[in-house]
Amino acid sequence: AIRMTQSPSSFSASTGDRVTITCRASQGISSYLAWYQQKPGKAPKLLIYAASTLQSGVPSRFSGSGSGTDFTLTISCLQSEDFATYYCQQYYSYLPTFGGGTKVEIK
Amino acid sequence: QVQLVESGGGVVQPGGSLRLSCAASGFTFSSYGMHWVRQAPGKGLEWVAFIRYDGSNKYYADSVKGRFTISRDNSKNTLYLQMNSLRAEDTAVYYCAKDPGYCSSTSCYVSWYFDLWGRGTLVTVSS
Repeated sequence: AIRMTQSPSSFSASTGDRVTITCRASQGISSYLAWYQQKPGKAPKLLIYAASTLQSGVPSRFSGSGSGTDFTLTISCLQSEDFATYYCQQYYSYLPTFGGGTKVEIK
Repeated sequence: QVQLVESGGGVVQPGGSLRLSCAASGFTFSSYGMHWVRQAPGKGLEWVAFIRYDGSNKYYADSVKGRFTISRDNSKNTLYLQMNSLRAEDTAVYYCAKDPGYCSSTSCYVSWYFDLWGRGTLVTVSS
């Protein structure tokens, strides 16, 4: 199975900050990568697919980049509603796997 | 309203069985593949199973293969997960999720990511 490693596992940031989360695949996955946001007690929400395509309705402050093994999710100007846990997920193989998650907390 | 609503969770003893349901509304359920994804308490996400739009193909994670069965009833817009021989490590919130894959005039494509999620149902395996 393809292993997905996210870093950092958690960090603190302030409203208005630009934040970047990294996801690394154990083998090349082209651009078959999605990002999700999950708030406590809620279901995950799709933010980005195909590494950089914004899902309909997702604010443009979210962006994704990368291909092959290294990917990033960037939030250009952190808003209060963005404090959550973020997961990457590869779908290069038919057995999709997730990263361990990155929790973004309020500083 | 486009939504997925899971039900059927609860407390079950190790070795027991449970069937989860997921009711879909607001979209053409019979046109899309569907997944189950789970999340153990305080842990990350784990994909569990997938079924094609017409039920013709099914895929499972190794951790549940041979114990869980995914199925669907397109006439009822409902997805199911039959869980047998349950173990403590199966304790999790179980989410159903829609695959955004599409069908052309000649072929159907599975995307293997998840564009719509239900709110989840908690399964607790404990004696």
